[in-house]
Amino acid sequence: DADVTQTPRNRITKTGKRIMLECSQTKGHDRMYWYRQDPGLGLRLIYYSFDVKDINKGEISDGYSVSRQAQAKFSLSLESAIPNQTALYFCATSDGNHEQYFGPGTRLTVT
Amino acid sequence: GEDVEQSLFLSVREGDSSVINCTYTDSSSTYLYWYKQEPGAGLQLLTYIFSNMDMKQDQRLTVLLNKKDKHLSLRIADTQTGDSAIYFCAENDMRFGAGTRLTVKP
Repeated sequence: DADVTQTPRNRITKTGKRIMLECSQTKGHDRMYWYRQDPGLGLRLIYYSFDVKDINKGEISDGYSVSRQAQAKFSLSLESAIPNQTALYFCATSDGNHEQYFGPGTRLTVT
Repeated sequence: GEDVEQSLFLSVREGDSSVINCTYTDSSSTYLYWYKQEPGAGLQLLTYIFSNMDMKQDQRLTVLLNKKDKHLSLRIADTQTGDSAIYFCAENDMRFGAGTRLTVKP
């Protein structure tokens, strides 16, 4: 089984809809991250959490919110989706010792 | 803000060496990383280098760090078609470059 899973893997939604992307990890790591990937822009950090009670904004948090429901779960919400939030979203975890483990990604399209 | 910059594309022939370059601006970066992303997958850590090192070698991979110029490079020796992927440079594990798409031609 994969160490980091993301659901859904693909989603098409309409402008204005609320959508939640979920991430679960079995690594036992405290740190979890949400990134979005856009062609030519690479990965940009949206939010990160260093433990269950810790939430921090990243480089591009506007329009997004997160919830750290448990050590293993970190969800990303778009309260009112807009087309420029169309992107590939990645969740990652780490234990703080260099390596981040990435999920397979969620491809989100907002029409 | 602080930026990590990479060229977007590199094409090489199988068997040649590939060199992927990266520049960063945060002089306080303690560690610098190279990740690989294969099609349809997330990123996987390839290697990392501590900022007090100039070079790190790991099998076919050589990382060079010029801290004065804030320049990092990844050399892949004897490049194979399986090395075709996007390579990301990252500083201090949360700031990534745009990624360099490496294409290896047979």
